[in-house]
Amino acid sequence: GQSLEQPSEVTAVEGAIVQINCTYQTSGFYGLSWYQQHDGGAPTFLSYNALDGLEETGRFSSFLSRSDSYGYLLLQELQMKDSASYFCAVGVYNTDKLIFGTGTRLQVFP
Amino acid sequence: DAGVIQSPRHEVTEMGQEVTLRCKPISGHDYLFWYRQTMMRGLELLIYFNNNVPIDDSGMPEDRFSAKMPNASFSTLKIQPSEPRDSAVYFCASSFLIENTGELFFGEGSRLTVL
Repeated sequence: GQSLEQPSEVTAVEGAIVQINCTYQTSGFYGLSWYQQHDGGAPTFLSYNALDGLEETGRFSSFLSRSDSYGYLLLQELQMKDSASYFCAVGVYNTDKLIFGTGTRLQVFP
Repeated sequence: DAGVIQSPRHEVTEMGQEVTLRCKPISGHDYLFWYRQTMMRGLELLIYFNNNVPIDDSGMPEDRFSAKMPNASFSTLKIQPSEPRDSAVYFCASSFLIENTGELFFGEGSRLTVL
């Protein structure tokens, strides 16, 4: 089976840097994705790590370490609009399922 | 492209009634997924299709739930009879080459309330 754990809530101030961790237990997966969801909205794709290492997309970066069963999303130069829930998700190997983590609610304060 | 289109956006119904949720995926996408989101259980995968064929329905909670994809541009999720515990937001998502991109395109969701 698969399980992905994230902290339930993270708070930070505008301009700061925040890291949202994702630890997983899975029998095998082909990559780790991150999604953002604002209240009342739909999840939207942020980034994808097929390989170990860091992927950078503007203010957001994502990291994967398969040997440590661990990944994180790094948000820099935080803005108020970054207040949202963030989900990690794994693509299960030998299927096309995308299983989502428990989600982290990020609150950015002025 | 207009993105993934779901209807209705909101549905309020009474216990025992039939509910049908609809989804139009992005043209050219070969995968379609139905998810359910609640505070308690998060985002749960219910069922997914590849090229209109159901591949895995192990997440469908029970026989009251059924899903179809009669063609590449339309899918339905039906609940009959509905129960209050089915209240949730139901998302449809589509993708192309998901194993390479890890990217799902979600619709805006259908918020279901069963009284």
